[in-house]
Amino acid sequence: KQEVTQIPAALSVPEGENLVLNCSFTDSAIYNLQWFRQDPGKGLTSLLLIQSSQREQTSGRLNASLDKSSGRSTLYIAASQPGDSATYLCVPGGGSYIPTFGRGTSLIVHP
Amino acid sequence: DADVTQTPRNRITKTGKRIMLECSQTKGHDRMYWYRQDPGLGLQLIYYSFDVKDINKGEISDGYSVSRQAQAKFSLSLESAIPNQTALYFCATSDSREPADTQYFGPGTRLTVL
Repeated sequence: KQEVTQIPAALSVPEGENLVLNCSFTDSAIYNLQWFRQDPGKGLTSLLLIQSSQREQTSGRLNASLDKSSGRSTLYIAASQPGDSATYLCVPGGGSYIPTFGRGTSLIVHP
Repeated sequence: DADVTQTPRNRITKTGKRIMLECSQTKGHDRMYWYRQDPGLGLQLIYYSFDVKDINKGEISDGYSVSRQAQAKFSLSLESAIPNQTALYFCATSDSREPADTQYFGPGTRLTVL
């Protein structure tokens, strides 16, 4: 059974800092890994998806990397802003592989 | 219009009542999923369907049932609701024909069982 661990569980930083959110998973036989953002009590917004053949994906201030062999993914947020405050979820899955969610990293960026 | 819709968005019900949550999608995806989320926890998979005739239990299917009425519709039922089924419920879709197989989520249904 796939297990997903996200570190840190919570993070509070001042505006402007560069951040690294970590995700580890136990079964590396995945087709992709998706990073989502969730605002309190709201739905999920897809941020980035990395296919198993890729090493990283970038979107604006976000960069996600994937190392399948070691079962790790990292989400890098550059120049954090208060609007980045949310919970970030890492989800390995794809193909016939059932998506498995971590508990997320709760991020607060204060002005 | 949203690609993945869920109805109702909020529901309060009493213990023992039968409840149905509905999910519809206009994306033409073959795969659909139901998740529940409890405060402070990640999403847990209840049921998933890879096509109309393929329905599978997820990690927490006890107390729930589903129906895939068409490729675009996937309903979740609680036959006899209990208070610990109070949670936020999400429907998601994905397309097995896409190399990336990205998941797309509905807005969620907040269910309270008294």
